[in-house]
Amino acid sequence: EDQVTQSPEALRLQEGESSSLNCSYTVSGLRGLFWYRQDPGKGPEFLFTLYSAGEEKEKERLKATLTKKESFLHITAPKPEDSATYLCAVTNGNQFYFGTGTSLTVIP
Amino acid sequence: EAQVTQNPRYLITVTGKKLTVTCSQNMNHEYMSWYRQDPGLGLRQIYYSMNVEVTDKGDVPEGYKVSRKEKRNFPLILESPSPNQTSLYFCASSFNRDGSPLHFGNGTRLTVT
Repeated sequence: EDQVTQSPEALRLQEGESSSLNCSYTVSGLRGLFWYRQDPGKGPEFLFTLYSAGEEKEKERLKATLTKKESFLHITAPKPEDSATYLCAVTNGNQFYFGTGTSLTVIP
Repeated sequence: EAQVTQNPRYLITVTGKKLTVTCSQNMNHEYMSWYRQDPGLGLRQIYYSMNVEVTDKGDVPEGYKVSRKEKRNFPLILESPSPNQTSLYFCASSFNRDGSPLHFGNGTRLTVT
């Protein structure tokens, strides 16, 4: 069964305190793994696509990595504006499967 | 501006009264899909379409219908809504090729009483 599990469910960080979010997945024929940011009341906003184990992508304070079984979203020196829910998703080329997300709060 | 547009943003209706949520994209995307988002359950795929006149069931299709007569439009139809369909709905689209990310609309919050 194709599925995505994210941990932790919620994370509170002090401004500047780096941490990582985890996304474990099982999918029959991975065609892509995606990270999204979602703010309250809005649609998910695309951050990264990863295609194969060993791949890494970076954008400002965010860095996404991928292994054969999981992906990590590393947040370096976060700021309050990084507070949001971060979603992980995978696709087998037909359907997309989402995790339930990690709610990140960055305290000034 | 490239976007996915859903309407309405908010909808309150009664059990059994047919409704349609519209979705339109201006990016010439082949792939379109509908999701519902519920607390603790995340985003779950309702239906998806790989191209015009091609639609397939996702994980939670019961009680919903879709049609894809034009490339840009993908309406979601609830023929007889029930309270358990109260949810936040998102339409999304992408190019129909491996690894293309989904682009989401801003959502439709539906309440069925």
